[in-house]
Amino acid sequence: SQTIHQWPATLVQPVGSPLSLECTVEGTSNPNLYWYRQAAGRGLQLLFYSVGIGQISSEVPQNLSASRPQDRQFILSSKKLLLSDSGFYLCAWTRQGTMNTEAFFGQGTRLTVV
Amino acid sequence: GENVEQHPSTLSVQEGDSAVIKCTYSDSASNYFPWYKQELGKRPQLIIDIRSNVGEKKDQRIAVTLNKTAKHFSLHITETQPEDSAVYFCAASLPYGKLTFGQGTILTVHP
Repeated sequence: SQTIHQWPATLVQPVGSPLSLECTVEGTSNPNLYWYRQAAGRGLQLLFYSVGIGQISSEVPQNLSASRPQDRQFILSSKKLLLSDSGFYLCAWTRQGTMNTEAFFGQGTRLTVV
Repeated sequence: GENVEQHPSTLSVQEGDSAVIKCTYSDSASNYFPWYKQELGKRPQLIIDIRSNVGEKKDQRIAVTLNKTAKHFSLHITETQPEDSAVYFCAASLPYGKLTFGQGTILTVHP
């Protein structure tokens, strides 16, 4: 069966510090991978989308970046965090192919920038 | 790209009443429309989905309808219960494409 791991679950970081959130998927190959941010418990804002290793689409201009060094690993980074980067970050994956299927989400990371 | 609008942003009902959440999408090529439920502090989880070759799908108290011509789809929850209280998200996906979510609806079911 497929599983998705995301860590850490919570993080408190000072303004200007770097960020690295990691997500890994097990039990499948060549998944589509996503990073979403959710502010104030509401809308899911798509940040990055990847269909393969090294292939990253940025959806929203910001000081965040994403990388996919391995097929089932997706990393969200920042060199210098801003207060506005606080939020709930969710990693997700879907199967590739013409028949789209459900998205499976990681447990999420609650980031507080202080 | 795809754009999904979801209404209402908040919905309050009495236990036993029905709840309806509506979404519209912009790209007529979208062919997959899932609905997710997110409880406080937890990850979103799929509750029902529908593909573009189907007009309606039902699973116990939950049903989804799709109008491809008008590019809108709706979630219907009957006989609501307090445990249905959560944030609900609709989404749309193009073939080979990414999943785009609506803004979410906070549903509160009062006992």
